[in-house]
Amino acid sequence: DIVMTQSPDSLAVSLGERATISCKSSQSVFYSSNNKNYLAWYQRKPGQPPKLLIYWASTRESGVPDRFSGSGSGTDFTLTISSLQAEDVAVYYCQQYYSSPLNFGGGTKVEIK
Amino acid sequence: QLQLQESGPGLVKPSETLSLTCIVSGGSFSGSDYYWGWIRQPPGKGLEWIGNIFYTGGTNYNPSLKSRVTISGDTSKNQFSLKLSSVTAADTAVYFCARSLRGAGGSYRHFDYWGRGTLVIVSS
Repeated sequence: DIVMTQSPDSLAVSLGERATISCKSSQSVFYSSNNKNYLAWYQRKPGQPPKLLIYWASTRESGVPDRFSGSGSGTDFTLTISSLQAEDVAVYYCQQYYSSPLNFGGGTKVEIK
Repeated sequence: QLQLQESGPGLVKPSETLSLTCIVSGGSFSGSDYYWGWIRQPPGKGLEWIGNIFYTGGTNYNPSLKSRVTISGDTSKNQFSLKLSSVTAADTAVYFCARSLRGAGGSYRHFDYWGRGTLVIVSS
């Protein structure tokens, strides 16, 4: 199984400042035959289902604000919120879809400082 | 616009079987380009993938739950279902159904559409 480890567990950022979340996989989720990293990021707000933000590690889902960006390759990935807005308060999860079981990271709670 | 809606009892007794259904609307469960899955989130914990089904009936389960899980589909009703047997308090969670694309060779993709989720409490 591929274990996904996120850090930090939580972070508080001032409005307009940058938030950075790390996700590490226990083995590479990069598939060389198509040059893609099988890694997604989701946002979960209370009372709502997870919302897809990023897939293929860095492709923004349609409608997602461009302040959200994903980067990384292999086993180390980052989700960056370039300028934190009040509506970005949520828990963020990474997920690998390279192989079954399709594991998620433990989540990172983002709050306003 | 695709919509997914979970339904089922919100309270299940220990040792019994949890049964949920996900109704697919605005799209077809029978599409060859998709997997349909169940994911859960216990209170205060992270997301856990339970398993996926392809419309032909092929399934893939999380090994941690495999002995207790059955996912089935009904193309005529455009829905799929989850059964989890011998439940305990540890199975108390919000259960989500979701759709993912199916890649070449049956490979997996991200979950792009999610139901709103339903809370199931296991208690006597």
